[in-house]
Amino acid sequence: KNQVEQSPQSLIILEGKNCTLQCNYTVSPFSNLRWYKQDTGRGPVSLTIMTFSENTKSNGRYTATLDADTKQSSLHITASQLSDSASYICVVTRYGNNRLAFGKGNQVVVIP
Amino acid sequence: EPEVTQTPSHQVTQMGQEVILRCVPISNHLYFYWYRQILGQKVEFLVSFYNNEISEKSEIFDDQFSVERPDGSNFTLKIRSTKLEDSAMYFCASRNSGANEQFFGPGTRLTVL
Repeated sequence: KNQVEQSPQSLIILEGKNCTLQCNYTVSPFSNLRWYKQDTGRGPVSLTIMTFSENTKSNGRYTATLDADTKQSSLHITASQLSDSASYICVVTRYGNNRLAFGKGNQVVVIP
Repeated sequence: EPEVTQTPSHQVTQMGQEVILRCVPISNHLYFYWYRQILGQKVEFLVSFYNNEISEKSEIFDDQFSVERPDGSNFTLKIRSTKLEDSAMYFCASRNSGANEQFFGPGTRLTVL
């Protein structure tokens, strides 16, 4: 059973529009949650990290939120660009052994 | 900016052959990891390595897999007798002591025919 679930699996958006990606997790105990961007054929690159006490974190046009009570996170992309086309992976770190639990990713395609 | 590097970028091999995937972690990092990602699926943890020994491994990491740090810079993953289902992207990652961010390499695409 996957401990990190992401939705939607994929989406297509017009350049300049906003979108929001969702992540639900069951990992416990919780250490932190990261959103990674993975370009096709490349390794994941960290966008944001949030610990238990943080409920929002921004990195340029990317804004992540975390509700540790409901174990939900979101990643909001503002004014999308063609280069935002990628898979966005939600990764939750388990407290203690630092084991990473990966979601399957949200595949985002930005079209002109 | 320092980064994790991996070679080769793409490896094609026949079923039953041995392959060695190479990684050069960031130079001052002490913790090393291998992950794999089968096409269309999520990234899966294989093994973690610290102080010249395996600290944790997943159920995927069976006797066909081994890891080694043969010198001060390289970190390798060996698959002794490849199977078709080993076809995947293999990512190496490293992190520094006291930090919990793992930095990922670009991956090696392994294709087993």
